[in-house]
Amino acid sequence: DIQMTQSPSSLSASVGDRVTITCRASQSISNYLNWYQQKPGKVPELLMYAASSLQSGVPSRFSGSGSGTDFTLTISSLQPEDFATYYCQQSYSSPYSFGQGTQLEIK
Amino acid sequence: QLQLQESGPGLVKPSETLSLTCTVSSGSISSNSYYWGWIRQPPGKGLEWIGSIYYRGSSSYNPSLKSRVTISVDTSNNQFSLDLTSVTAADTAVYYCARQGYIYVNFDSWGQGTLVTVSS
Repeated sequence: DIQMTQSPSSLSASVGDRVTITCRASQSISNYLNWYQQKPGKVPELLMYAASSLQSGVPSRFSGSGSGTDFTLTISSLQPEDFATYYCQQSYSSPYSFGQGTQLEIK
Repeated sequence: QLQLQESGPGLVKPSETLSLTCTVSSGSISSNSYYWGWIRQPPGKGLEWIGSIYYRGSSSYNPSLKSRVTISVDTSNNQFSLDLTSVTAADTAVYYCARQGYIYVNFDSWGQGTLVTVSS
């Protein structure tokens, strides 16, 4: 099974900051990497798929990059609504595993 | 806009079977472009993929649960279902159904989730 490890596990930042979250796979997954945002008490929402493709309706301040084992999600200028938990998910092979999550908090 | 809605008991006794149904509306479950999946999230924890099914009936499961899980599809009612047998407290979680992209295996539309508690 492929293990997904996110760093950091939590992060404090301010509105307007540029933030990067990292996700590492235990083996190469090409670009089969998706990112989700989950706000407290809410349903996860797809942000990015195929490592760098923006899901329809997602603001352009979100971007993704990476291939192989190392991936990043970047928020170029944090907005108040971006404070949430972010999960990566590999879709290269079953079982389709998620990272443990990165909780983004307001500084 | 596609909608998914989970239904089923919110409380299940240990050793019994957890059964949930996901009803898909404003879209067809019989699409060549999607699978339909179940994901769960224990309280305060992360996400775990349980398994997925194609409308023609082919399915895949997480090996960690495979011996206890069955996912089935009912195209006539635009529904798919989850059965999880021999539940324990460790199966207490919010259970989500979701649409899964065929190519990128991304979950792009989710139900609101239903909390299932395993307790006597």
